[in-house]
Amino acid sequence: ETGVTQTPRHLVMGMTNKKSLKCEQHLGHNAMYWYKQSAKKPLELMFVYNFKEQTENNSVPSRFSPECPNSSHLFLHLHTLQPEDSALYLCASSQWRGGAPGELFFGEGSRLTVL
Amino acid sequence: AQSVTQPDIHITVSEGASLELRCNYSYGATPYLFWYVQSPGQGLQLLLKYFSGDTLVQGIKGFEAEFKRSQSSFNLRKPSVHWSDAAEYFCAVGARGGGNKLTFGTGTQLKVEL
Repeated sequence: ETGVTQTPRHLVMGMTNKKSLKCEQHLGHNAMYWYKQSAKKPLELMFVYNFKEQTENNSVPSRFSPECPNSSHLFLHLHTLQPEDSALYLCASSQWRGGAPGELFFGEGSRLTVL
Repeated sequence: AQSVTQPDIHITVSEGASLELRCNYSYGATPYLFWYVQSPGQGLQLLLKYFSGDTLVQGIKGFEAEFKRSQSSFNLRKPSVHWSDAAEYFCAVGARGGGNKLTFGTGTQLKVEL
């Protein structure tokens, strides 16, 4: 396994379901991110984790709950979602050294559909 | 707050023609600028980046971009487009002191006619 791996690639869930998205990076990076990509909108940064600590929560609704148990794994727990939450959720990682932002390495995304 | 504008939502070019994708940013200090490409069903891949120094930067797949501070622009160019370049292209900006966050534009969808 190389790079950033996201599972599942596709997910359909009802508004009352609970599901989780998983991200794993094999690059030895110390920072991980969740982005939301909706049609015709810029990528929206949701959460940032540096050295397993959450350093950014971009006013994300509480129905999205991130978890970062170690520097290689990142989860996004989903519950009581709304249809407007349907989107492509992208995980990324980078090596953060302070100063300039580093290159982001993205996974292929998890396509979420909320019915 | 920093922002990025990509004025062109869609662009169509013929294979072999030259390409220029526009990107304008808004930020008070020296920005860190990136171009990413996303093929269908894929994540984003870095094409090139500008941090400082030479304002003309070279990237992968034959792409280059020029930083013009006076115009707050970072346009992406390629002299001869290949059909495999059809994808969506995103400009992004980051800032020293802004942490490791990037702000992305809305993207430009490139179609290549054979």
